[in-house]
Amino acid sequence: DTEVTQTPKHLVMGMTNKKSLKCEQHMGHRAMYWYKQKAKKPPELMFVYSYEKLSINESVPSRFSPECPNSSLLNLHLHALQPEDSALYLCASSQSGGNQRPQHFGDGTRLSIL
Amino acid sequence: TQLLEQSPQFLSIQEGENLTVYCNSSSVFSSLQWYRQEPGEGPVLLVTVVTGGEVKKLKRLTFQFGDARKDSSLHITAAQPGDTGLYLCAGGRIQGAQKLVFGQGTRLTINP
Repeated sequence: DTEVTQTPKHLVMGMTNKKSLKCEQHMGHRAMYWYKQKAKKPPELMFVYSYEKLSINESVPSRFSPECPNSSLLNLHLHALQPEDSALYLCASSQSGGNQRPQHFGDGTRLSIL
Repeated sequence: TQLLEQSPQFLSIQEGENLTVYCNSSSVFSSLQWYRQEPGEGPVLLVTVVTGGEVKKLKRLTFQFGDARKDSSLHITAAQPGDTGLYLCAGGRIQGAQKLVFGQGTRLTINP
């Protein structure tokens, strides 16, 4: 079982809906990440939070809005998504302090946009 | 620009055979991580290597980081059907904290 928990596991939504993806970790990690993964491709970084502050936004469209309420939780708010946004959304966490710290992934939310 | 070239992209072999997956770059990485991902799940960390020339073993899996920290390999001895999955290498950049650069992945199938 992964130590990074993501909910829901599956989500189907229309293009006008508003929904949120949730991620939780209790490993004391202070860096958290959102990735998007299309079929048969590697994960693509979307956002990085470090000590609850947004440190990296990889030019992600504003229809994706991240939020880090506290050091254990990470949300991704979705609004007015497009069919091409259908993908597996992965959350990861790591200890802070640079890129030698391994990232631990959740099992993802499989998102389908109708 | 794809900074990590992973090969082969697909590999299908018989149970009991040995195999090697390669991850190469012209860039230097401060660390390199290997993950395995199975359908419907997230990537699971197998190993992190940080020192040039480092070799780590995990049962039948041997991981090596190149002396110059630009390349890495994963060798599996006596492959088993349970080794089937997508193997991903990911490098931590010297500049650019907290960003991993992923290879394109190797989809490995071990046939009984």
